[in-house]
Amino acid sequence: AQTVTQSQPEMSVQEAETVTLSCTYDTSESNYYLFWYKQPPSRQMILVIRQEAYKQQNATENRFSVNFQKAAKSFSLKISDSQLGDTAMYFCASQGAQKLVFGQGTRLTINP
Amino acid sequence: DTEVTQTPKHLVMGMTNKKSLKCEQHMGHRAMYWYKQKAKKPPELMFVYSYEKLSINESVPSRFSPECPNSSLLNLHLHALQPEDSALYLCASSPGATNEKLFFGSGTQLSVL
Repeated sequence: AQTVTQSQPEMSVQEAETVTLSCTYDTSESNYYLFWYKQPPSRQMILVIRQEAYKQQNATENRFSVNFQKAAKSFSLKISDSQLGDTAMYFCASQGAQKLVFGQGTRLTINP
Repeated sequence: DTEVTQTPKHLVMGMTNKKSLKCEQHMGHRAMYWYKQKAKKPPELMFVYSYEKLSINESVPSRFSPECPNSSLLNLHLHALQPEDSALYLCASSPGATNEKLFFGSGTQLSVL
């Protein structure tokens, strides 16, 4: 069974600041992927970043990067130089055996 | 074409109605998914089709009936729904059966009266 836990229901930062969203997971799969998805008010699920569990190097996509700690089963998302358009619900997700399991989400608000 | 298209965007139906949700992708993906999302909750997996065959059914009530006519199309047939079935229904696709990267549609917001 897979579980994903996001312990921060809401976060709020000023524009241009750096923010880190936390996520822990548990899985019995030996090979799996981890994701961060963003869901703005439009409710479209948008892939932010992906990490393959067998890769030690942390994934980076422009202003978005992750801190993947496999032993601790931790997968945090760092957003640098935050922008107003980053305001959204962020879901951490774990994939294994065709199932993508989501955490409860963190509502992130970027204030001007 | 890198989109997953869902129609309709909004649907209101009575408990005795029969309706269908449609999902289409032209990225050559071989796996397609239905998720249900209640307000302020994460998406929950309902069904997975892999190579046009149903591979996962997450114990979804039979009033929801999925169909995959071909590798590009995924339907969700609705019959005798309950008000608690009101939710956003998201379709997704992935290149292969291991769903290493899901592409989501914008969803159908369903209201059952």
